[in-house]
Amino acid sequence: AQSVTQLDSHVSVSEGTPVLLRCNYSSSYSPSLFWYVQHPNKGLQLLLKYTSAATLVKGINGFEAEFKKSETSFHLTKPSAHMSDAAEYFCVVRPTGAGGTSYGKLTFGQGTILTVHP
Amino acid sequence: DVKVTQSSRYLVKRTGEKVFLECVQDMDHENMFWYRQDPGLGLRLIYFSYDVKMKEKGDIPEGYSVSREKKERFSLILESASTNQTSMYLCASSFTGNTIYFGEGSWLTVV
Repeated sequence: AQSVTQLDSHVSVSEGTPVLLRCNYSSSYSPSLFWYVQHPNKGLQLLLKYTSAATLVKGINGFEAEFKKSETSFHLTKPSAHMSDAAEYFCVVRPTGAGGTSYGKLTFGQGTILTVHP
Repeated sequence: DVKVTQSSRYLVKRTGEKVFLECVQDMDHENMFWYRQDPGLGLRLIYFSYDVKMKEKGDIPEGYSVSREKKERFSLILESASTNQTSMYLCASSFTGNTIYFGEGSWLTVV
């Protein structure tokens, strides 16, 4: 079984300040982890993914995330927020190394809404 | 560019109607998924398919069925729509172990 917990439903920052969106996961198998962003009335866009290579993963638009197995965390960060970063962010886990139909299943966190103030 | 196309973006249906939501992907992905997205609940998996004619129930399959007769097309069917099925529906596809691509979503309102 696998699960994802996004620790904050809303995060509010000022433009130019750092962003931290927190995600904890549990998985019976070695997981692949993703962060997606969704702007209003749009589909989901992949920001970055971790698939058991480097633990620090760089994504698009200046975002990065660090996989910490000991803490079962995959927090998303950005050094300096931009107004265009305002959106909802989803942390996603899928099992890797598992056999059968579980291989393609995704589990989503509840989402974190990021607000950026001028 | 990969495209996952949901042909209907906005639908309004009456209670009891049969509803079809269609999804097509152009990358020969073996995996396809249907989710629904509701405020405060995030995305929840309805069904997924790992091959033609193969399907597996997700977390909330009740009231839904699916069809995958061709690899590129995955249909979600609401046999008798109800108001609690008003939601946004997202289709996605992927190769196993690879990036998951999403469509733009279909907003369904059942009145």
